[in-house]
Amino acid sequence: EVRLVESGGGLVQPGGSLRLSCAASGFTFSSHWMHWVRQAPAKGLVWVSRISDDGSNTNYADSVKGRFTISRDNAKNSLYLHMNSLRAEDTAVYYCARIIVGATGVDYWGQGTLVTVSS
Amino acid sequence: QSALTQPASVSGSPGQSITISCTGTNSDIGNYNFVSWYQQHPGKAPKLMIFDVSNRPSWVSHRFSGSKSGNTASLTISGLQAEDESNYYCISYTTSSTWVFGGGTKLTVL
Repeated sequence: EVRLVESGGGLVQPGGSLRLSCAASGFTFSSHWMHWVRQAPAKGLVWVSRISDDGSNTNYADSVKGRFTISRDNAKNSLYLHMNSLRAEDTAVYYCARIIVGATGVDYWGQGTLVTVSS
Repeated sequence: QSALTQPASVSGSPGQSITISCTGTNSDIGNYNFVSWYQQHPGKAPKLMIFDVSNRPSWVSHRFSGSKSGNTASLTISGLQAEDESNYYCISYTTSSTWVFGGGTKLTVL
């Protein structure tokens, strides 16, 4: 069974940092590109970042470029999102998501982890 | 990168067909066949309904179909059922090597 389990969310002050993790199981993690997607309370989905299967290729939304870093450890079947200089507008549920091999859709999502940026 | 444009809401009666549009630009939808559609019930993770414009995953009913013309992609649901009531989002790849979602459409089954 494919599972994606996010962790690391919580309450952080503006300007602070946080590292989100996504533990993958039930599939060959190293074969899949991965996304991070976020959703502010009662708002729509927003794409955050994507990483290639081997970690060599990364992309970021303009709103997080220079502040967030996506990475992965294929030996540990884990995806990460390092978030620095956090702002109130980064408050959201953060989802990790698995991209279909050879296509661009996301077939599996984690349950999400809530990040709240507030003083 | 501006969000793709979706209608805020659409509605239909059981058995009817509805179409949700997703309008972008030559820098996203118009340039790639990399449009997906997701269904999201409140408090739940999104669910893939259509990928790469018109491909339907095995778990999705044949009542769902996708298409694209120029800078606009569309999701059509035929034979509307009460369980289709949800929020729907489109997403496209862009020429900046990023991805952009639409603002979402709330589907109400009357």
